[in-house]
Amino acid sequence: EVQLLGSGGGLVQPGGSLRLSCAASGFTFSSYAMSWVRQAPGKGLEWVSAISGGGVNTYYADSVKGRFTISRDNSKNTLYVQMNSLRAEDTAVYYCAKNLGYSYGGNYYFDYWGQGTLVTVSS
Amino acid sequence: QSVLTQPPSASGTPGQRVTISCSGSSSNIGSDFVYWYQRLPGTAPILLIYRNNQRPSGVPDRFSGSKSGTSASLAISGLRSEDEADYYCAAWDDNLSAWVFGGGTKLTVL
Repeated sequence: EVQLLGSGGGLVQPGGSLRLSCAASGFTFSSYAMSWVRQAPGKGLEWVSAISGGGVNTYYADSVKGRFTISRDNSKNTLYVQMNSLRAEDTAVYYCAKNLGYSYGGNYYFDYWGQGTLVTVSS
Repeated sequence: QSVLTQPPSASGTPGQRVTISCSGSSSNIGSDFVYWYQRLPGTAPILLIYRNNQRPSGVPDRFSGSKSGTSASLAISGLRSEDEADYYCAAWDDNLSAWVFGGGTKLTVL
């Protein structure tokens, strides 16, 4: 059974940093791209970032480019996102999601999601 | 403002058939598949429909998807109380080179 367990959320001041983690199990982690998707209060889902199965290729939404860094440790079956220079508009529930295949793109939709971790950016 | 447009709410009584719409453009729904996700209260989203109208194993055939042009629909027949959830549509956007989503539709079973 595929399981994705997100953690690391919390309250952080504007301009601060936070690192989210997502522990994966139930599938061959290194064979699949992984993504972060967020939902701000009262808003819809927004794709944030993705990383290929081997970790070589990374992708970012314009809204977080230059501030967020996605990474993975395939030996620990864990996905990360380092979030720097956080803004109030980054406040959201962050979900990790498994992509269908090794790469990121239109053929590789999200087939499993984690339960989400809340990030609140406020002074 | 979400790239894909969904009604914020929908409702129906047990046993009824309800549909949820999702409107996009030629760069997303018009040129690629549509996906639907269900998020029950307090749980992670689950894949409900993939590639317009395909159901993953375990998803009841009460759920069906369709697409026409730049719009798509999710239909739920034989509505049950356990269907009360948020529903999201998604598609790949060729212009943005990114996955885009609808704002979500909250389904209430009266």
